[in-house]
Amino acid sequence: DIQMTQSPSTLSASVGDRVTITCRASRSISSWLAWYQQKPGKAPKLLIHKASSLESGVPSRFRGSGSGTQFTLTISGLQPDDFATYYCQECNTYSFGQGTKLDIK
Amino acid sequence: QVQLQESGPGLVKPSETLSLNCSVSGGPIRGRYWHWIRQPPGKGLEWIGYVYYVGDTDSSPSLKSRLTLSVDTSKNQFSLKLTSVTAADTAVYYCARDTGDDGLDSWGPGILVSVSS
Repeated sequence: DIQMTQSPSTLSASVGDRVTITCRASRSISSWLAWYQQKPGKAPKLLIHKASSLESGVPSRFRGSGSGTQFTLTISGLQPDDFATYYCQECNTYSFGQGTKLDIK
Repeated sequence: QVQLQESGPGLVKPSETLSLNCSVSGGPIRGRYWHWIRQPPGKGLEWIGYVYYVGDTDSSPSLKSRLTLSVDTSKNQFSLKLTSVTAADTAVYYCARDTGDDGLDSWGPGILVSVSS
């Protein structure tokens, strides 16, 4: 199994801030990484696939980068709708990271 | 726009079998991988497994011995059976569609299944 380590587990920020979430894989997964946003009581929503490809309809302030074992999700110019929990998922054995809860400072 | 909907009992007794269906509408089940994911209350996401439209499956090593995944293309639905459940299997269960290009792009709303006597 591939282990995904996501950090931080919680992140406090303000509207307009830029934040970065990191995901590290226990072994190389090339670019087979997806990022999701989940709001309370809702199913996750796919934001980014193949590490850096933005899903259709997702605002361009979301950016994914990385390959191999290190990946980041950056949100620039935080909007009120962005406060949620974010998960990474490697798409070889489909393990999820532990999640990062982004809340308002 | 494809839509997914989980269905099944919301309460299962310990040691019994949890059975869920996922109905797919707005698109064919053929040609895709279909996944199950669960989320215990207040916790993170756990991948359960997938079934391919021709019936091939793969699943989490921690659940493999108790899990059966299947697909019925005539009904455009796929199913999960998890045997010998305990309280640790209490979770919201989601079904989802694989993009085929990395990631799960369509999800059901989820169904809460509680394991309790």
